[in-house]
Amino acid sequence: DVKVTQSSRYLVKRTGEKVFLECVQDMDHENMFWYRQDPGLGLRLIYFSYDVKMKEKGDIPEGYSVSREKKERFSLILESASTNQTSMYLCASSGPPAVYEQYFGPGTRLTVT
Amino acid sequence: QKEVEQDPGPLSVPEGAIVSLNCTYSNSAFQYFMWYRQYSRKGPELLMYTYSSGNKEDGRFTAQVDKSSKYISLFIRDSQPSDSATYLCAMCGSGSARQLTFGSGTQLTVLP
Repeated sequence: DVKVTQSSRYLVKRTGEKVFLECVQDMDHENMFWYRQDPGLGLRLIYFSYDVKMKEKGDIPEGYSVSREKKERFSLILESASTNQTSMYLCASSGPPAVYEQYFGPGTRLTVT
Repeated sequence: QKEVEQDPGPLSVPEGAIVSLNCTYSNSAFQYFMWYRQYSRKGPELLMYTYSSGNKEDGRFTAQVDKSSKYISLFIRDSQPSDSATYLCAMCGSGSARQLTFGSGTQLTVLP
């Protein structure tokens, strides 16, 4: 059974804190993604990675960075958390061959106070 | 204007109804069209995908693509309470494209 796991389901942090969200996939997928999901805005791509140590900016990279040191692990970093980064964060991975089929983790609900 | 537009709902129907969920898009380069289903407090999961125009059927679900109108639909026949979820359309330009463009999702509730 394919699996994408995320380090926390719920997280509460204070403004200005550095926040790490981790994602691990067990499918040997090349591609990994970080999205945030907000009501009415749907899924917005923050960053993605198509190989170890490679990263590409998505639609909303400002205020975020990522790290991929191993193929199975993709980390999202909020350098200095702000209240407008309160959101649901979803990690996903995809093949080949079917790179359009993304497998999602359960999400991390982050609240920044 | 967003590349993909999807009516957010919420949509509430009685059990057994036929449900129609729709998305419109503006990018004529899109070739692969997906529907993801997201249950409450879960991540999305791929329900169906269609390449180019036409219909695809899987049990009670039918995905339809009309590229001339830039319009895609998901039909659910004999809807069940277990179909209650948010449905997101997604699309990309080729089978090797890594990035998907998602709609904002339609929240569906099927009442018993």
